[in-house]
Amino acid sequence: DTEVTQTPKHLVMGMTNKKSLKCEQHMGHRAMYWYKQKAKKPPELMFVYSYEKLSINESVPSRFSPECPNSSLLNLHLHALQPEDSALYLCASSQDLGTGSSEAFFGQGTRLTVV
Amino acid sequence: QQQVKQSPQSLIVQKGGISIINCAYENTAFDYFPWYQQFPGKGPALLIAIRPDVSEKKEGRFTISFNKSAKQFSLHIMDSQPGDSATYFCAARKSSNTGKLIFGQGTTLQVKP
Repeated sequence: DTEVTQTPKHLVMGMTNKKSLKCEQHMGHRAMYWYKQKAKKPPELMFVYSYEKLSINESVPSRFSPECPNSSLLNLHLHALQPEDSALYLCASSQDLGTGSSEAFFGQGTRLTVV
Repeated sequence: QQQVKQSPQSLIVQKGGISIINCAYENTAFDYFPWYQQFPGKGPALLIAIRPDVSEKKEGRFTISFNKSAKQFSLHIMDSQPGDSATYFCAARKSSNTGKLIFGQGTTLQVKP
């Protein structure tokens, strides 16, 4: 099973709302990632968690707040977003942070629209 | 040095033809090169990957060719089918403690029936 499950699939939120994106994997992977993807562009890395600890923050604005409650779950808390934050948010996981051929598997994404 | 350059930006191929997408990199510390296939509204799906100690890897109709000295790698899709119509991303990663994938800009492939 190489499945990474993301919920919700679609989300529309106002600029004053607080919402959360959820990601789950049961492959025993110890590294999890959040990416942001704009239309016709490649995914851009936002955050990396390794063994439930934040390993990389790619200078993401504080209105995005990641959380890794356990090794299978990854959340992205959203608050006071801007319309330009509308994008496809992708979660990925890999066995570890890249030694050997640790493959990264992506979820189907959450299509976020900020109005 | 962190970039991966991908070409062409778009590609139209007749059914049964060969689709070829090329990528080039500068950073010799990269040692893992995956290709992802992405359909509209879906997440990228890992297609095939290669390490630089191998010059070619084949899985079904998909083949990666790797030229370490030229710092280039390419994806060949043999007998292209309309169902292969998607966006393809090459990527590169260093063996390090970051796990960070550097993506190419993507190639939109259209296979005409």
